[in-house]
Amino acid sequence: AQTVTQSQPEMSVQEAETVTLSCTYDTSESDYYLFWYKQPPSRQMILVIRQEAYKQQNATENRFSVNFQKAAKSFSLKISDSQLGDAAMYFCASLRSGGATNKLIFGTGTLLAVQP
Amino acid sequence: SQTIHQWPATLVQPVGSPLSLECTVEGTSNPNLYWYRQAAGRGLQLLFYSVGIGQISSEVPQNLSASRPQDRQFILSSKKLLLSDSGFYLCAWSPWDRIYTFGSGTRLTVV
Repeated sequence: AQTVTQSQPEMSVQEAETVTLSCTYDTSESDYYLFWYKQPPSRQMILVIRQEAYKQQNATENRFSVNFQKAAKSFSLKISDSQLGDAAMYFCASLRSGGATNKLIFGTGTLLAVQP
Repeated sequence: SQTIHQWPATLVQPVGSPLSLECTVEGTSNPNLYWYRQAAGRGLQLLFYSVGIGQISSEVPQNLSASRPQDRQFILSSKKLLLSDSGFYLCAWSPWDRIYTFGSGTRLTVV
């Protein structure tokens, strides 16, 4: 079974600073995907970044990057130059690769506050 | 382009009343469809998923059921709502590349 753990219920960062959100996961699959989703107050789920487990290179999307440590089963999200609009709940999620049924399993989330 | 519609946005229902939440996807065929629930202050829990018409898999035993009467329509139902059914319900779909797209959600309050 897949499990995703986010040990930081809340985090805070100053505007323009950098913050790292932690995530660990457990899966018996050899091939899988990992995601970070952002949920602002509107509650719309927005994909932030995606990582394929077979790729060693860490994914990057503008100010967002991940530190993917496959052996340690760790997948942290780094937000650089934090902006007020980054304030949201962030969810880490894992997805088994292959097969007809793909189930996205979420962690419990980290609420990020950005201080001006 | 593909879009996902979910309604209603907000619903207040008395205990014991029925429920029907609808989700439709446009611009794609044979999508995988999912229902998630988010309780207050908690993560998203997968309730049901479907890989085709009439094919429903349940992840968690509960007071809810799901149906897929058409390829791009996914319905979440209950015959009698419980207080514990309150929460934020999200529909999602995924194509072959496994990128999930979520609807805007329904906030259900059972009173």
